[in-house]
This record gives sequence, structure tokens and C-alpha cells, in this order.
Amino acid sequence: EDKVVQSPLSLVVHEGDTVTLNCSYEVTNFRSLLWYKQEKKAPTFLFMLTSSGIEKKSGRLSSILDKKELFSILNITATQTGDSAVYLCAVRSNYQLIWGAGTKLIIKP
Amino acid sequence: EPEVTQTPSHQVTQMGQEVILRCVPISNHLYFYWYRQILGQKVEFLVSFYNNEISEKSEIFDDQFSVERPDGSNFTLKIRSTKLEDSAMYFCASTVRLYNEQFFGPGTRLTVL
Repeated sequence: EDKVVQSPLSLVVHEGDTVTLNCSYEVTNFRSLLWYKQEKKAPTFLFMLTSSGIEKKSGRLSSILDKKELFSILNITATQTGDSAVYLCAVRSNYQLIWGAGTKLIIKP
Repeated sequence: EPEVTQTPSHQVTQMGQEVILRCVPISNHLYFYWYRQILGQKVEFLVSFYNNEISEKSEIFDDQFSVERPDGSNFTLKIRSTKLEDSAMYFCASTVRLYNEQFFGPGTRLTVL
């Protein structure tokens, strides 16, 4: 059965800290891995990764995929209170996205 | 910036009633999806739709569910006879090409009493 596992499930850090969120997967017909940020309602897109070892970066956020070891990490440096959210990892298999349970990140001022 | 919109934002219904959830995907997108998220649980895939037909569906998407693109802009999810366990947030998503990122609407919270 296809699965996506995220860790940790929750994380509390102080503003300015760096965090690393993990996503491992076992999915047949892997197409891509996506990271989303979910605050109150809809997931908002962060990154899509298809190739191993190529880092994607957007401001203080970056992500990388390891297709051999079947995992991805999402790094956030110099965290701010506005980074507080649930971060979701999803793996694309054919048409659908298979989702992890998310990491709830709380940034304390 | 174009975005996916959904109506209503919240729908309350009685068990056994039919509901229709509406979505307007981004205008040049060709692939459309419905997902649901029961409170405190993972997001779950329901169905994908392309070229006026279902391309993939999950086990959740049984005979009680149907989707339709009645015109050039709307994409609807119908639940024929709602059950208590259908209470969830329902998200619509769209993408321009099959393997591009999916963009999500704000969701409709469905409460079945």
C-alpha cells in the first residue's frame, strides 16, 4: 500500500531557529514529491521535486529529494512567527496525490 | 493572480440529503481534482477529472459521489445521500498539465447532522 510518512508530527521552536522537516515515502509509480503549507484552510504550494539531489530554494525555504533513499527534507532557516503552519508532503502517483499527515510547526516569538 | 474558488464556504445538511459543492478552477487548467480532509486527519484523494471524464478515483469515491463539469468554468462534486461520516473539508484543485503542481481552493466545510 502506498504511504507517505512525515516526521516529526509537531515541532515547537523559537523565532530565528532553523528547522528540518522530513518526509519518507513508499509509492508505486512515483512522479513527483510536493510540499505544501497549510495555515487555516487550503494547502498552498511550496515546492515540487522530481529529480534527486537538486535543491529547490525560495527565500528561507529549501527542499531536496533523495529518490534512492525515498525521502525529502524541507528546511526553513531564520524562522519567523509567520512560518507557523502545518507543512504537508504529498507524492504524486499517476493522477492522485498521496498525502502525509503533516508536521505542525509552531514558532514562538 | 488567478486562483481556484469554491462555494459555499460552509454547508450544513441533514443526513440523507443531497449536496452539491461547487468549484471554479483556474481558467486555463485542464485537470481537476477533489480531495477531502476529515478534521484532524490526512488529506485524502477522491477523484481526478480530465477531458470531461473521470481519470482516476479512490475507494472513497463510491456510487454516492459524482462529479460534473456542467459548463466551461464550473466543476461540481455531488453527494447523493449524505452520511455523518461525510462531514469534512472538501478541497477542489486544478493543474494546467498532468504532472504540474496542483493549486487548491479555500475548501468547503461540509457538516452533516
